[in-house]
Amino acid sequence: EVQLVESGGGLVQPGGSLRLSCAASGFTFRNYNMNWVRQAPGKGLEWVSYISSTSSSTYYADSVKGRFTISRDNAKNSLYLQMNSLRAEDTAVYYCARDGYSGYDFGYWGQGTLVTVSS
Amino acid sequence: QSALTQPASVSGSPGQSITISCTGTSSDVGGYNYVSWYQQHPGKAPKLMIYEVSNRPSGVSNRFSGSKSGNTASLTISGLQAEDEADYYCSSYTSSSTFSVFGTGTKVTVL
Repeated sequence: EVQLVESGGGLVQPGGSLRLSCAASGFTFRNYNMNWVRQAPGKGLEWVSYISSTSSSTYYADSVKGRFTISRDNAKNSLYLQMNSLRAEDTAVYYCARDGYSGYDFGYWGQGTLVTVSS
Repeated sequence: QSALTQPASVSGSPGQSITISCTGTSSDVGGYNYVSWYQQHPGKAPKLMIYEVSNRPSGVSNRFSGSKSGNTASLTISGLQAEDEADYYCSSYTSSSTFSVFGTGTKVTVL
């Protein structure tokens, strides 16, 4: 069974940093592209970042470009999101999501971790 | 990259069919067959319902179907059931400097 478990969320002050982690199990992690998707309270889904299976390609939403960095450790079956210069508008539940069927969909999701940016 | 446009809400009675639209541009929905649809119940993670415009993952009811015409993709739910009441989001690959974009989301209400 595919399992994705996010951690690292919490309360952080504006301008601060946070590192999210996503522990993967139940599949061969190194074979799959991964993504981070977020959802602000009461709002819709927003794709945040993508990393290919070998880390050779990464992409970011314009809203986080230059502030967030996605990475992965295939030996540890883990995905990460380093978030710097956090803003109030980054407050959201952050989901890690695995490539599903086409390479461009999100077939499996974690339960999410809440990040709150507030003073 | 702007979000894909979906109606804010759609409603129907049990047993009826409803259709949710998802409008983008030639750089995303219209240019590629990489449109997917997600169902999200309150407090839960999203669930993939359709991928590559019209394909259903294993385990998804055949009451859910997808299609595309030009820059607009559609999700149809037939034989509407109470359990279908949820938020629905489309997503597409985009050739812009980013990689993927979601729709604005549609709340489906079963009357």
